[in-house]
Formats: sequence, C-alpha cells, structure tokens
Amino acid sequence: EVQLVQSGAEVKKPGESLKISCKSSGYSFTSYWIGWVRQMPGEGLEWMGILYPGDSHTTYSPSFQGQVTISADKSISTAYLQWSSLKASDTAMYYCTRRALSGSFDYWGQGTLLTVSS
Amino acid sequence: EIVLTQSPGTLSLSPGERATLSCRASQSVSSSYLGWYQQKPGQAPRLLIYDASSRATGIPDRFSGSGSGTDFTLTISRLEPEDFAVYYCQQYGSSPWTFGQGTKVEIK
Repeated sequence: EVQLVQSGAEVKKPGESLKISCKSSGYSFTSYWIGWVRQMPGEGLEWMGILYPGDSHTTYSPSFQGQVTISADKSISTAYLQWSSLKASDTAMYYCTRRALSGSFDYWGQGTLLTVSS
Repeated sequence: EIVLTQSPGTLSLSPGERATLSCRASQSVSSSYLGWYQQKPGQAPRLLIYDASSRATGIPDRFSGSGSGTDFTLTISRLEPEDFAVYYCQQYGSSPWTFGQGTKVEIK
C-alpha cells in the first residue's frame, strides 16, 4: 500500500528555519517524482515544486523559487521541504504528493500545518 | 503560466441531482493533461480524474470527466451525501503546474 506520512504540526517564529518531512512507503521511492503543495488558510491549492529522488532533479514554481528548498534522502525514502527564514505569510498547510506516471498527483500525505507567529 | 478558471464558485444541489463543474484554461492544455481532485474539510485532496477523462483507482463511475484544449468538465451523475466537497482542476502539461481556484458543491 502506497503511503506518504508527513511530520507533525509546527509553530515557529518569524526568522526561524524549518525542515518538514514526508516519508514514503509501498513503492519504489526513486522511480516517482514527489511534489509539494501549499494551501493557505481558507484558500486553494498551489503547486510549489517537485523533485525526482532518482537523481535529485528539482523544479520549482516561479512563485516559490528561492523561497523554499526541496530535497530528499533516498536511503530513508523521505522528501523534505525547507525554509531558511520563515515569514508570517508562510502560515499554511503543506502537502507532499506523488506524481503518477500519468503526471497527475495520485497519492497525498496527510498534510503538515505550519503556523508562523511572533 | 496557464491560468485555470473554475465555475461556478459554489454549486448548491440536492442529493441525487447531477453536478456539472467547469474548468477553463487560459491556453490549450497539452495532451489533455488535466486532473480533477476532491477535497473534504480537514482532509488532503484525492485524485478523481486524470488525463481529462480517466477515472483514478477506486473512483465510482458516477464521476466522469470530459473536454480538451481549453474547456474541461467534471460531471457527477447523481450526488451522494459524501460528494459534497470542494473540487479542483489541475493542469500538468506545462510547468508551472497550476490549479483552479476550486468549486464548492454544497447541499441545497
């Protein structure tokens, strides 16, 4: 059974750094792209970027380029989303999702809620 | 960037009725690389339809997708109580992959 299990909710202060995780199981981690999607409170879905764990090739949405870093550790089948300096506007739910061979996103993590507040 | 515009914003219907949701793209979506997702409160999105008209694994056949180019439709033939949710379209034919703003299907 394919599963994406994300790390727990975080409460951080502006300027702090953070790395959240998404552990995959039930399939070959290095054979499928893993993406991240943001959902701000009460809003819709925004695609942030995607990484291919097989060779760590990464593509970012222009809206998120330079704002976050996507990475992965193949040895533990885990993808990461990282911020170096958080802002209040980063407050949102973040989902990791697997890109199917068709290109759509077929499996999703349960989400990690990030709250950034002073 | 391809902008997806969904309509209507909210659809108020009764169980058993037919729901028709529209997704219009600002430019042609290559190879009909368009998907539909359902999201219920407090849950992650769920893939319903990929490649404009193919149902994802385990999705009931009351859900169907159609369209090509710039105009796509998700149809729910007879609404079940569990179908009241927000629905998003997404194009994955051209980076950056983009989502529509969503259509909420609510109980009338």
